[in-house]
Parts: sequence; C-alpha cells; structure tokens
Amino acid sequence: NAGVTQTPKFQVLKTGQSMTLQCAQDMNHEYMSWYRQDPGMGLRLIHYSVGAGITDQGEVPNGYNVSRSTTEDFPLRLLSAAPSQTSVYFCASSFFGLGTRDEQFFGPGTRLTVL
Amino acid sequence: ELKVEQNPLFLSMQEGKNYTIYCNYSTTSDRLYWYRQDPGKSLESLFVLLSNGAVKQEGRLMASLDTKARLSTLHITAAVHDLSATYFCAVDDGGATNKLIFGTGTLLAVQP
Repeated sequence: NAGVTQTPKFQVLKTGQSMTLQCAQDMNHEYMSWYRQDPGMGLRLIHYSVGAGITDQGEVPNGYNVSRSTTEDFPLRLLSAAPSQTSVYFCASSFFGLGTRDEQFFGPGTRLTVL
Repeated sequence: ELKVEQNPLFLSMQEGKNYTIYCNYSTTSDRLYWYRQDPGKSLESLFVLLSNGAVKQEGRLMASLDTKARLSTLHITAAVHDLSATYFCAVDDGGATNKLIFGTGTLLAVQP
C-alpha cells in the first residue's frame, strides 16, 4: 500500500512553460485534492474532486487545471507557468461523505520553482 | 467565507514546559484536524475532532474542540525536543465536501 504518491519531487520551469504534476493513490479514496503551500500562508486548496469525472475549484484555482478520469489519479496541470506559482504542491486523498472517517492523507509534495 | 486563525505563529519553549496552541475559526463546522509538518516533509495527521467537546490525546499532545466557541486547542505537556515542528489546524468548510481550510501554522521550537 503506497498511499499517496506524487511525481516529480522537484521541478524547475521557465515562465510560460507547461507541465503536469502527477498524483496517485491506492486506497480507493473518492476524494482527492491539490494544495499549495507558501511561507506564512499555510496550505491553500487549488482544486478538488469527489469522484471520477467530478472536479471543482478551491480557494486559488487560477492558472491550474485538473481532471479525474480514474479513482486513482488526479493530475494538476499548469498551462503557462508564472513565478507566482513557485510553491510546494501537496496532493491529498480521503474517503468521502458524512459519517466516514474522512481524515485526509497527504503525498510527499512537489517543490516547483518558476524562473 | 471560512477563516482559520492560529496563534501563536511561533513558539519557543523549554523542554519540560507546558503550552497551548489555539485555533479559532469563523463559521460553523463540526470537523477539525490537527497536522504536524517537519521541515521539508509532508503533513502527518495527529488528531481528527468530529464533535463538540471532543478530546483526544496522544503522548504529550492533547487536542480539544469547542464548536460553540469555534475554538480548538492543542496542548503540549512537558515538551521534548522531538516535538519541534510546525503544527497546523484545518477546518472542514461545512459543505457537502471534504474541503479543508488551513490555519497559517505554528512553528514550535523546543529548546533543551
């Protein structure tokens, strides 16, 4: 049971480049989400999904796209990277629904630098 | 809009001392989480508090939730150096989703 995995661990991009951050989980969790962590600002929700084919925006969605074609995978796409997107990105997953133990499990993170 | 505030933002304490981290939130929620993060690492779940009056303890850490006051506390008893880390509280936004709103974190440094 690998839990939540993220690739890559580190990435450097130039302004305007695009890339996809990968996230996968093997716990059969319905709920998956992406956060970014910036110094002094805690974690902020970018996008989330409550199941395959269903996604929605979080607090800071601009500049990011997501899709959820399978239960296991939830990639985050940066279409045209900007220096303001320099951050550490965390993917998380959990079971979904009231009455469940909806503790969220976090992946190891991707440290992204945009020059 | 749900807002979550933690204080203090930074806490330097001596080994053996007790202290409390506070987490206040602005709108009704019945679910609150505490996480620990070591430098350069991911978040580790410490406590899940799901109802008013919930109290959970693990080792030297104890968390409680008062939903009426919209307040959670993380109490540290007889601190040891290994507890040095950043601690985050996160509150479920109350909708029919698992969206979490995080506090800004408390950096705890336990000095020998």
